[in-house]
Amino acid sequence: DARVTQTPRHKVTEMGQEVTMRCQPILGHNTVFWYRQTMMQGLELLAYFRNRAPLDDSGMPKDRFSAEMPDATLATLKIQPSEPRDSAVYFCASGLRDTSGANVLTFGAGSRLTVL
Amino acid sequence: AQKITQTQPGMFVQEKEAVTLDCTYDTSDQSYGLFWYKQPSSGEMIFLIYQGSYDEQNATEGRYSLNFQKARKSANLVISASQLGDSAMYFCAMRERSQGGKLIFGQGTELSVKP
Repeated sequence: DARVTQTPRHKVTEMGQEVTMRCQPILGHNTVFWYRQTMMQGLELLAYFRNRAPLDDSGMPKDRFSAEMPDATLATLKIQPSEPRDSAVYFCASGLRDTSGANVLTFGAGSRLTVL
Repeated sequence: AQKITQTQPGMFVQEKEAVTLDCTYDTSDQSYGLFWYKQPSSGEMIFLIYQGSYDEQNATEGRYSLNFQKARKSANLVISASQLGDSAMYFCAMRERSQGGKLIFGQGTELSVKP
């Protein structure tokens, strides 16, 4: 089965440290999404790429978060500096946007981040 | 205003019975899609079912069906013959054409299946 691969699966870090999360989307998928999940806020969309171009990052705190797709096989989400309120599970998802309109997203297993 | 509303934070159902999870949405687009995902305690997000706004028939996938009532802007998930493995969080989500493909999720409903 094709899958979205996220690393690391778990990360514990101290406040102020840089955190980089990586995602390998499914080969052939042309859309990549980053979501953050917390108990209080649920699933929040942070950023969205199509054909590697960023289309929407309005949900992302710009001062500390950045998202990029250096190539079609890698998406990154970086937090610098990290804060305790960034503790959450970060999901990457990829999909194929075609004329059918469905573009079902396949999610990775998530990266659980704890910032002390 | 919430785009996707799931009014049931938690639900219980007896094994082998059917259960309906509610979802209402808010959009002025004519073209949109509605999705349901399942998140078991292990944390992964599993796609269940999709309904396009122009689809005439309600979507079905095995034991899952989507009760799509366009005029009421509701897209309820029906799970027939519940199994213990159906215990999980269930999320309703919507994609609007005008929003360029963003998939927005509701707050989720936690379903517990009792033996």
